[in-house]
Amino acid sequence: DIQMTQSPSTLSASVGDKVTLTCRASQNIRTWLAWYRQKAGKGPHLLIFEASNLETGVPSRFSGSGSGTEFTLTISSLQADDFATYYCQQYNSYPWTFGQGTKVEI
Amino acid sequence: EVRLVESGGGLVQPGGSLRLSCGASGFTFSDYEMNWVRQAPGKGLEWIANITSSGFITLYAESVKGRFTISRDNAKNSLFLQMNSLRAEDTATYFCASGTAYFHNWGQGTLVTVSS
Repeated sequence: DIQMTQSPSTLSASVGDKVTLTCRASQNIRTWLAWYRQKAGKGPHLLIFEASNLETGVPSRFSGSGSGTEFTLTISSLQADDFATYYCQQYNSYPWTFGQGTKVEI
Repeated sequence: EVRLVESGGGLVQPGGSLRLSCGASGFTFSDYEMNWVRQAPGKGLEWIANITSSGFITLYAESVKGRFTISRDNAKNSLFLQMNSLRAEDTATYFCASGTAYFHNWGQGTLVTVSS
């Protein structure tokens, strides 16, 4: 299975900050990577697919980049709604696997 | 508006069975592959099962293969997960999610607790 490792595990930030989250794959996954935001007690919400494509309806403050084994999710100006846990997911090969998550907190 | 609503969770003893359901609305259910993804309390996400739009092909994670069965009823816009031989480590919130490889829409989840 492909292992996904996210860093940091927890990130402290303030409204208006620019934040960058990192996701590393244990092998080359090309650009077959998605990012999700999960608020407490809710199902995840798709933000980015194919490493850098913004899902319809997702605010433009979110952006993704990377290929191969290293990927980043950047939030250009953190909003109150963005304090949540973020997961990356590879879909290069079965089984689809997720990172352990990065919690963005105040 | 796309909606996915899971139901059927609850407390079950080790070795027992449970059947989860997911009702879909707001999109053409029969056009989409569907999945079950679970999340143990305080932990990350684990994809466990996928079914093609027709229902003819299914895929499973090794952790549930042979114990869980994913199925669907396109006429009723419903997805199911039959869970047998349940173990303590199956305790989790179970989400249904639409998509072939990544997951466009998710439900709110249903909690399954396996304990004696």
